[in-house]
Amino acid sequence: DAGVIQSPRHEVTEMGQEVTLRCKPISGHDYLFWYRQTMMRGLELLIYFNNNVPIDDSGMPEDRFSAKMPNASFSTLKIQPSEPRDSAVYFCASTGLDSGNTIYFGEGSWLTVV
Amino acid sequence: QKEVEQNSGPLSVPEGAIASLNCTYSDRGSQSFFWYRQYSGKSPELIMSIYSNGDKEDGRFTAQLNKASQYVSLLIRDSQPSDSATYLCAVMTGFQKLVFGTGTRLLVSP
Repeated sequence: DAGVIQSPRHEVTEMGQEVTLRCKPISGHDYLFWYRQTMMRGLELLIYFNNNVPIDDSGMPEDRFSAKMPNASFSTLKIQPSEPRDSAVYFCASTGLDSGNTIYFGEGSWLTVV
Repeated sequence: QKEVEQNSGPLSVPEGAIASLNCTYSDRGSQSFFWYRQYSGKSPELIMSIYSNGDKEDGRFTAQLNKASQYVSLLIRDSQPSDSATYLCAVMTGFQKLVFGTGTRLLVSP
């Protein structure tokens, strides 16, 4: 399997612009996670889905952030409007029965908001 | 109090020494614990999981769990320069909900 696939790998955008991050989980995995990593706060869980349904979005920082999972093979994390403090690495991860409790991470989307 | 706490380091050890990494967690009901390794600019990768009190060994790595003290540790024997990375402790606090510590940076000098 190709692993968890994220796009874009790098994005630089201006404050106020909309940012959309995309994720394709490992085929067959029914859990999908969005994490954000910064030096100050480490790796934070933003939201996770089970069978395309959001289970826990308590980590979503504010209304500017939204996430969707329209089908089992695709999810988006949207930031609108973006702010410089949103600059971070955003990781998508997935797991499923065949993985036990092992969560596999994508390579991350490096976001810089200027 | 953070759910999962780690010393940020860096922890510096010479090649061949034992590196000891520690982690405490706040949720007494947690049952599953993990150590991830993250190289600079890369994504985290799982190296060890532990579910029962005591030690679990895998090659040069030993994970230790003490649920009464809410304490998890990772020992790396015969440390190599290639072990230099950030080690993330993770605790499953809900159904498949994995919470990470901020990580300990390990530096192994030749």
